[in-house]
Amino acid sequence: NAGVTQTPKFRILKIGQSMTLQCTQDMNHNYMYWYRQDPGMGLKLIYYSVGAGITDKGEVPNGYNVSRSTTEDFPLRLELAAPSQTSVYFCASTGTLNTGELFFGEGSRLTVL
Amino acid sequence: EDKVVQSPLSLVVHEGDTVTLNCSYEVTNFRSLLWYKQEKKAPTFLFMLTSSGIEKKSGRLSSILDKKELFSILNITATQTGDSAVYLCAHTGGGTSYGKLTFGQGTILTVHP
Repeated sequence: NAGVTQTPKFRILKIGQSMTLQCTQDMNHNYMYWYRQDPGMGLKLIYYSVGAGITDKGEVPNGYNVSRSTTEDFPLRLELAAPSQTSVYFCASTGTLNTGELFFGEGSRLTVL
Repeated sequence: EDKVVQSPLSLVVHEGDTVTLNCSYEVTNFRSLLWYKQEKKAPTFLFMLTSSGIEKKSGRLSSILDKKELFSILNITATQTGDSAVYLCAHTGGGTSYGKLTFGQGTILTVHP
Protein backbone atom coordinates (compact mmCIF):
# COMPACT_ATOMS: atom_id res chain seq x y z
CA ASN A 1 0.00 0.00 0.00
CA ALA A 2 1.25 3.46 -0.88
CA GLY A 3 -0.98 5.11 1.77
CA VAL A 4 -1.87 8.75 1.07
CA THR A 5 -0.08 10.26 -1.92
CA GLN A 6 0.00 14.00 -2.57
CA THR A 7 1.32 15.73 -5.65
CA PRO A 8 3.10 18.00 -6.29
CA LYS A 9 5.46 18.25 -3.30
CA PHE A 10 6.51 21.79 -4.19
CA ARG A 11 4.98 24.44 -6.43
CA ILE A 12 5.46 28.13 -7.05
CA LEU A 13 2.49 30.01 -8.47
CA LYS A 14 2.02 33.55 -9.66
CA ILE A 15 -0.83 35.63 -8.28
CA GLY A 16 -4.03 34.88 -10.16
CA GLN A 17 -2.95 31.46 -11.45
CA SER A 18 -4.95 28.33 -10.67
CA MET A 19 -3.84 24.83 -9.81
CA THR A 20 -4.99 21.52 -8.39
CA LEU A 21 -3.33 19.65 -5.56
CA GLN A 22 -3.85 15.94 -6.06
CA CYS A 23 -4.53 13.51 -3.22
CA THR A 24 -5.14 9.80 -3.60
CA GLN A 25 -5.31 6.97 -1.08
CA ASP A 26 -5.33 3.22 -1.66
CA MET A 27 -6.72 2.14 1.73
CA ASN A 28 -10.42 2.38 0.78
CA HIS A 29 -10.92 5.08 3.42
CA ASN A 30 -14.22 6.95 3.46
CA TYR A 31 -13.04 10.03 5.35
CA MET A 32 -10.66 12.46 3.66
CA TYR A 33 -9.40 15.89 4.70
CA TRP A 34 -7.46 18.87 3.40
CA TYR A 35 -5.55 21.02 5.89
CA ARG A 36 -3.24 23.97 5.50
CA GLN A 37 -0.45 24.77 7.92
CA ASP A 38 1.20 28.17 8.11
CA PRO A 39 4.64 28.52 9.79
CA GLY A 40 4.47 28.00 13.57
CA MET A 41 0.76 27.30 13.46
CA GLY A 42 -1.57 24.34 13.79
CA LEU A 43 -3.56 22.68 11.02
CA LYS A 44 -6.57 24.52 9.65
CA LEU A 45 -9.30 22.45 8.03
CA ILE A 46 -10.15 23.57 4.49
CA TYR A 47 -12.59 20.88 3.31
CA TYR A 48 -13.49 17.37 4.30
CA SER A 49 -15.42 14.44 2.90
CA VAL A 50 -17.16 11.54 4.62
CA GLY A 51 -17.55 9.52 1.43
CA ALA A 52 -17.65 9.65 -2.34
CA GLY A 53 -19.98 12.38 -3.57
CA ILE A 54 -20.07 14.16 -0.18
CA THR A 55 -17.96 17.19 0.72
CA ASP A 56 -18.26 19.87 3.37
CA LYS A 57 -16.53 23.10 4.29
CA GLY A 58 -14.05 23.36 7.11
CA GLU A 59 -12.75 26.47 8.86
CA VAL A 60 -11.03 28.18 5.90
CA PRO A 61 -12.71 27.16 2.61
CA ASN A 62 -12.60 30.52 0.81
CA GLY A 63 -10.48 30.43 -2.34
CA TYR A 64 -10.59 26.63 -2.58
CA ASN A 65 -12.80 23.97 -4.09
CA VAL A 66 -12.88 20.19 -3.81
CA SER A 67 -14.60 17.23 -5.40
CA ARG A 68 -14.92 13.59 -4.38
CA SER A 69 -16.07 11.59 -7.37
CA THR A 70 -14.32 8.40 -6.21
CA THR A 71 -13.37 6.94 -2.82
CA GLU A 72 -9.68 7.15 -3.70
CA ASP A 73 -9.29 10.74 -4.91
CA PHE A 74 -9.85 14.09 -3.22
CA PRO A 75 -8.30 16.90 -5.29
CA LEU A 76 -8.07 20.46 -3.94
CA ARG A 77 -8.47 23.26 -6.47
CA LEU A 78 -7.04 26.74 -5.91
CA GLU A 79 -8.65 29.38 -8.09
CA LEU A 80 -7.01 32.80 -8.54
CA ALA A 81 -4.05 32.14 -6.24
CA ALA A 82 -3.24 34.84 -3.67
CA PRO A 83 -0.13 35.32 -1.47
CA SER A 84 -2.31 34.45 1.56
CA GLN A 85 -2.52 30.91 0.18
CA THR A 86 1.21 30.38 0.60
CA SER A 87 1.29 27.44 3.00
CA VAL A 88 1.97 23.74 3.43
CA TYR A 89 -1.04 21.64 2.50
CA PHE A 90 -1.70 18.22 4.01
CA CYS A 91 -4.17 15.66 2.79
CA ALA A 92 -5.27 12.99 5.27
CA SER A 93 -7.63 10.04 5.41
CA THR A 94 -9.06 7.52 7.81
CA GLY A 95 -11.31 4.50 7.51
CA THR A 96 -12.99 5.03 10.86
CA LEU A 97 -13.49 7.79 13.41
CA ASN A 98 -13.35 5.22 16.21
CA THR A 99 -9.55 5.22 16.52
CA GLY A 100 -8.78 8.90 15.96
CA GLU A 101 -5.82 8.09 13.77
CA LEU A 102 -5.46 10.00 10.53
CA PHE A 103 -3.10 8.88 7.78
CA PHE A 104 -1.33 11.90 6.32
CA GLY A 105 0.32 12.57 3.02
CA GLU A 106 3.81 14.08 3.01
CA GLY A 107 2.53 17.58 2.37
CA SER A 108 2.66 20.02 -0.54
CA ARG A 109 4.54 23.29 -0.10
CA LEU A 110 2.89 26.04 -2.15
CA THR A 111 4.32 29.53 -2.63
CA VAL A 112 2.33 32.27 -4.33
CA LEU A 113 4.37 35.22 -5.57
CA GLU B 1 -18.38 27.75 15.70
CA ASP B 2 -16.37 24.85 17.09
CA LYS B 3 -13.06 25.87 18.68
CA VAL B 4 -9.95 24.16 20.03
CA VAL B 5 -7.54 26.34 22.04
CA GLN B 6 -4.16 25.16 23.25
CA SER B 7 -1.86 26.63 25.87
CA PRO B 8 0.87 27.54 26.24
CA LEU B 9 1.73 28.33 22.63
CA SER B 10 5.38 27.53 23.31
CA LEU B 11 7.37 26.02 26.12
CA VAL B 12 11.12 25.62 26.72
CA VAL B 13 12.35 23.12 29.30
CA HIS B 14 15.44 21.08 30.17
CA GLU B 15 15.81 17.34 29.92
CA GLY B 16 14.25 15.58 32.88
CA ASP B 17 11.56 18.20 33.46
CA THR B 18 7.85 17.32 33.49
CA VAL B 19 5.52 19.32 31.26
CA THR B 20 1.76 19.74 31.07
CA LEU B 21 0.12 20.88 27.87
CA ASN B 22 -3.45 22.16 27.88
CA CYS B 23 -6.29 21.91 25.40
CA SER B 24 -9.73 23.46 25.86
CA TYR B 25 -12.56 23.07 23.41
CA GLU B 26 -15.99 24.40 22.54
CA VAL B 27 -17.94 22.07 20.30
CA THR B 28 -21.56 21.67 19.41
CA ASN B 29 -21.46 17.91 19.12
CA PHE B 30 -18.47 16.35 20.85
CA ARG B 31 -17.33 12.94 19.76
CA SER B 32 -13.66 12.58 20.74
CA LEU B 33 -10.51 14.51 21.65
CA LEU B 34 -7.22 13.66 19.95
CA TRP B 35 -3.55 14.38 20.58
CA TYR B 36 -0.90 14.38 17.86
CA LYS B 37 2.85 15.01 17.76
CA GLN B 38 4.42 16.80 14.80
CA GLU B 39 8.16 16.82 14.23
CA LYS B 40 9.52 17.72 10.81
CA LYS B 41 6.70 16.51 8.63
CA ALA B 42 3.15 15.21 9.04
CA PRO B 43 1.60 14.76 12.51
CA THR B 44 1.64 11.35 14.16
CA PHE B 45 -1.16 10.06 16.37
CA LEU B 46 -0.73 9.83 20.16
CA PHE B 47 -4.08 9.41 21.92
CA MET B 48 -7.82 9.44 21.48
CA LEU B 49 -10.01 10.31 24.48
CA THR B 50 -13.77 9.91 24.63
CA SER B 51 -14.61 9.45 28.31
CA SER B 52 -13.99 11.77 31.23
CA GLY B 53 -11.51 10.81 33.88
CA ILE B 54 -9.93 7.85 32.13
CA GLU B 55 -6.18 8.32 31.66
CA LYS B 56 -4.49 7.10 28.54
CA LYS B 57 -0.78 6.27 28.89
CA SER B 58 2.04 5.47 26.53
CA GLY B 59 5.47 5.34 28.13
CA ARG B 60 6.26 8.79 29.54
CA LEU B 61 3.21 10.38 27.93
CA SER B 62 -0.25 10.43 29.44
CA SER B 63 -3.47 12.28 28.78
CA ILE B 64 -6.82 12.79 30.42
CA LEU B 65 -10.12 14.38 29.44
CA ASP B 66 -12.61 16.40 31.49
CA LYS B 67 -15.88 16.59 29.53
CA LYS B 68 -17.59 18.69 32.19
CA GLU B 69 -14.97 21.46 32.10
CA LEU B 70 -14.26 20.89 28.37
CA PHE B 71 -10.52 20.42 28.51
CA SER B 72 -7.77 17.87 28.20
CA ILE B 73 -4.15 17.77 29.35
CA LEU B 74 -1.13 15.99 27.95
CA ASN B 75 1.64 15.20 30.44
CA ILE B 76 5.18 14.31 29.52
CA THR B 77 7.44 13.16 32.36
CA ALA B 78 11.25 12.99 32.33
CA THR B 79 11.40 14.91 29.05
CA GLN B 80 14.08 14.10 26.46
CA THR B 81 15.40 16.13 23.54
CA GLY B 82 13.48 13.78 21.25
CA ASP B 83 10.24 15.11 22.74
CA SER B 84 10.90 18.46 21.05
CA ALA B 85 7.99 18.89 18.64
CA VAL B 86 4.68 20.63 18.07
CA TYR B 87 1.89 18.97 20.03
CA LEU B 88 -1.53 19.29 18.47
CA CYS B 89 -4.93 18.77 20.01
CA ALA B 90 -7.99 18.07 17.85
CA HIS B 91 -11.60 17.06 18.20
CA THR B 92 -13.92 15.07 16.01
CA GLY B 93 -17.48 16.28 15.62
CA GLY B 94 -20.76 14.44 15.72
CA GLY B 95 -24.28 15.33 14.62
CA THR B 96 -24.29 17.80 11.73
CA SER B 97 -20.49 18.01 12.05
CA TYR B 98 -20.06 14.28 11.77
CA GLY B 99 -16.60 13.48 10.42
CA LYS B 100 -15.24 17.00 10.91
CA LEU B 101 -11.79 16.91 12.55
CA THR B 102 -10.57 20.29 13.81
CA PHE B 103 -7.08 21.01 15.21
CA GLY B 104 -5.90 23.65 17.66
CA GLN B 105 -2.97 25.96 16.99
CA GLY B 106 -0.48 23.68 18.71
CA THR B 107 2.10 23.96 21.50
CA ILE B 108 5.75 24.17 20.44
CA LEU B 109 7.81 22.22 22.99
CA THR B 110 11.60 22.64 23.03
CA VAL B 111 13.64 20.39 25.30
CA HIS B 112 17.25 21.47 25.90
CA PRO B 113 19.95 18.95 26.97
